[in-house]
Amino acid sequence: DAKTTQPPSMDCAEGRAANLPCNHSTISGNEYVYWYRQIHSQGPQYIIHGLKNNETNEMASLIITEDRKSSTLILPHATLRDTAVYYCIVRVAARYAGNNRKLIWGLGTSLAVNP
Amino acid sequence: EPEVTQTPSHQVTQMGQEVILRCVPISNHLYFYWYRQILGQKVEFLVSFYNNEISEKSEIFDDQFSVERPDGSNFTLKIRSTKLEDSAMYFCASSADRGRENSPLHFGNGTRLTVT
Repeated sequence: DAKTTQPPSMDCAEGRAANLPCNHSTISGNEYVYWYRQIHSQGPQYIIHGLKNNETNEMASLIITEDRKSSTLILPHATLRDTAVYYCIVRVAARYAGNNRKLIWGLGTSLAVNP
Repeated sequence: EPEVTQTPSHQVTQMGQEVILRCVPISNHLYFYWYRQILGQKVEFLVSFYNNEISEKSEIFDDQFSVERPDGSNFTLKIRSTKLEDSAMYFCASSADRGRENSPLHFGNGTRLTVT
């Protein structure tokens, strides 16, 4: 089972920041937090991942709390094309993973960006 | 930007027939995966493949399923005798994952398999 919990749905106004929360209270010290999204029936798209420091790339920012029990994905200026299901996934770090490299998916958060 | 490509995008087959789903992973990646997503449900892990052998598989991946990397570029999923419940989107993914590198999985856009 997925080790994360996310709200089932959220709304955001176009041009505003979308803040998507994720709880992963049982995360281990050797586990990363990954975020993906899936735009209607397309393949999942990688967004960002992090261990304990905040991360930013051209798509989004990832804020991880100091105790690592929760995180927030921030889309700074949401557009209509950001309407998708967003998944927060915990994954074992490669150095400890052995053959366990898979992602375990939950139901995600369905984000609707409204004009 | 390199991407994972899957063919065909749609496949319709009759129950009991064999199907082969094809994938071309990103060229310098080392790990390959198949996932499936039944309509309205979660994405489910099927199998991972590394160094020309299965590295991990789920309980879904029974004897009806097999994977192969027949050459240096393709990665295939075969379902020997399809059942109605095999109808789903099948996603291929690959990751670099060299040593201790924490590489994300990159997914293709899937093959929609419909078993009638």
